[in-house]
Amino acid sequence: EIVMTQSPATLSVSPGERATLSCRASQSVSSDLAWYQQKPGQAPRLLISGASTRATGIPARFSGSGSATDFTLTISSLQSEDFAVYYCQQYNNWHSFGQGTKLEIK
Amino acid sequence: QLQLLESGPGLVKPSETLPLTCTVSGDSISSGSHYWGWIRQPPGKGLEWIGSINNRGTTYYNPSLESRVTISVDTSKNQFSLELTSMTAADTAVYFCVRDPIGSYPDYWGQGTLVAVSS
Repeated sequence: EIVMTQSPATLSVSPGERATLSCRASQSVSSDLAWYQQKPGQAPRLLISGASTRATGIPARFSGSGSATDFTLTISSLQSEDFAVYYCQQYNNWHSFGQGTKLEIK
Repeated sequence: QLQLLESGPGLVKPSETLPLTCTVSGDSISSGSHYWGWIRQPPGKGLEWIGSINNRGTTYYNPSLESRVTISVDTSKNQFSLELTSMTAADTAVYFCVRDPIGSYPDYWGQGTLVAVSS
């Protein structure tokens, strides 16, 4: 089983600033890595697939990078609607998710 | 527009079996292009993949749940189902059904259904 570890658990950032979220896999997942945003009471929303490809309709302020075991999601200038929980997910060997990073307003 | 809709009991007693069904519209399970799966999320916690199935009934399960899980498919009704046995409070969660393309990420999600385990 591939274990995904996200850091930090909680990130406090001011609107307009940059947020950097990390995700590490216990073994290589190549670029088979997705990022999701989840707000209360909603299903996760796909942001990034293939480690760096934005999903349809996702603003350019969201970017993903990394490969193998280390991945990063960057939100370049935080908007009010970006404060949510973010999950990484590997799909190289079925599916496993990180425990999430809560992005909160500073 | 592809839609998935979960249905089943919102409350299950400890030690009982949870039955959930996902009804798919806007795509045909029979086409064989995808797997179809279940993911759950305990209140305030993260996401856990349960398992997935294709139109021929080939299944893959999360090893941590495999002994208690059965996923089945009914192509005539365009539905797939989850059974989870020996339910405990730790199984209280929102259960999502998803379309699960082969070798890819879940690309369509149901709205989720909350299942509580309590006597």
